[in-house]
Amino acid sequence: DAGVIQSPRHEVTEMGQEVTLRCKPISGHNSLFWYRQTMMRGLELLIYFNNNVPIDDSGMPEDRFSAKMPNASFSTLKIQPSEPRDSAVYFCASSLFQQGADTQYFGPGTRLTVL
Amino acid sequence: GENVEQHPSTLSVQEGDSAVIKCTYSDSASNYFPWYKQELGKRPQLIIDIRSNVGEKKDQRIAVTLNKTAKHFSLHITETQPEDSAVYFCAASPYTGNQFYFGTGTSLTVIP
Repeated sequence: DAGVIQSPRHEVTEMGQEVTLRCKPISGHNSLFWYRQTMMRGLELLIYFNNNVPIDDSGMPEDRFSAKMPNASFSTLKIQPSEPRDSAVYFCASSLFQQGADTQYFGPGTRLTVL
Repeated sequence: GENVEQHPSTLSVQEGDSAVIKCTYSDSASNYFPWYKQELGKRPQLIIDIRSNVGEKKDQRIAVTLNKTAKHFSLHITETQPEDSAVYFCAASPYTGNQFYFGTGTSLTVIP
């Protein structure tokens, strides 16, 4: 089975540019999570969806960040405009939520560098 | 919301020794506690998990214990090997949802 797929794996962009990160969850999973990882702040939950509906976006840093999940097999995280402090590794994870929390499977991550 | 604290932040052990990482949580309603291992440049991967109706779980050299009264849980790695060197994260998940609250991570180094 294919795991969680993320693209691109690496992104280098200049300050002010729009960045779009993409994620395909594991087939059959109904929950999707976006995380950001930095040395300073560790692993932060940005937003998560259940059945394509955003449940908690309290971790989204500011209005420059937005996330969508138009269907069960695709999600995007967009940063517009990007800033150097957005440089981090962004992970997408998915899980099957039934009667309680269960294992989250992480994608390989997107390493974002904003110059 | 839930607050997870993890200690120590770094840990060095000799190969063959045991390693113990401890986490505490604040929300007594949390009921799922996974542990993830992250090697350098790689994604976090689940190594073991435990639910609140169980006090201990073991998988070969790895075990996790849970004390619901004290609200803490621990990861135990026995007979450590160099390939155990990585960052380990604990997490807690509330009964009412499925998001994880992660600890800050422990960087484990196993010295050959």
